[in-house]
Amino acid sequence: EAQVTQNPRYLITVTGKKLTVTCSQNMNHEYMSWYRQDPGLGLRQIYYSMNVEVTDKGDVPEGYKVSRKEKRNFPLILESPSPNQTSLYFCASSSGQAVMNTEAFFGQGTRLTVV
Amino acid sequence: KQEVTQIPAALSVPEGENLVLNCSFTDSAIYNLQWFRQDPGKGLTSLLLIQSSQREQTSGRLNASLDKSSGRSTLYIAASQPGDSATYLCAVRRGATNKLIFGTGTLLAVQP
Repeated sequence: EAQVTQNPRYLITVTGKKLTVTCSQNMNHEYMSWYRQDPGLGLRQIYYSMNVEVTDKGDVPEGYKVSRKEKRNFPLILESPSPNQTSLYFCASSSGQAVMNTEAFFGQGTRLTVV
Repeated sequence: KQEVTQIPAALSVPEGENLVLNCSFTDSAIYNLQWFRQDPGKGLTSLLLIQSSQREQTSGRLNASLDKSSGRSTLYIAASQPGDSATYLCAVRRGATNKLIFGTGTLLAVQP
């Protein structure tokens, strides 16, 4: 089954404690990205990757890091989490070709609470 | 800058009604538009994808239309059911970066 898998689904952590949210896709997609969803602000892109070893900032990259060492994995790293990073996070993947039938697939989300 | 707006923000209808959700965008230079469904605390499920060259797409009781020139898309849900209750999001894809720009969604409640 084609899917994007995120882990963990829920996470409560303390300010300053480094954490990683993993994302894996089994569709051989080149393009992967991370979004955060906040009430009243909708979904905003954090980082994206066009392919292995190619990453770039989205709209709200501050406080986050990513890496893309393998095509299927795109972890999101919070080196020193702060309470304003409490949010619902989504990983997404799609074919890397910028064509009209490119469809995005999303993971189930990770609800992060930073206290 | 591309902006995506969804109206209404919330909608409550009795079961069996046909309904229309609206999505508007400011820049018509898009590759495609995708409609998603999000259940509370859950991920996004893709409902329909309309390519920029298409006018509409259908899947079961759902029909999505696209008018690029006016910057509008609608999602039509026929014979609504309580199981359709969810938040519906539209997103446009622009440019070579494959970035999706989302609207803030319409929260739909279908009353039994």
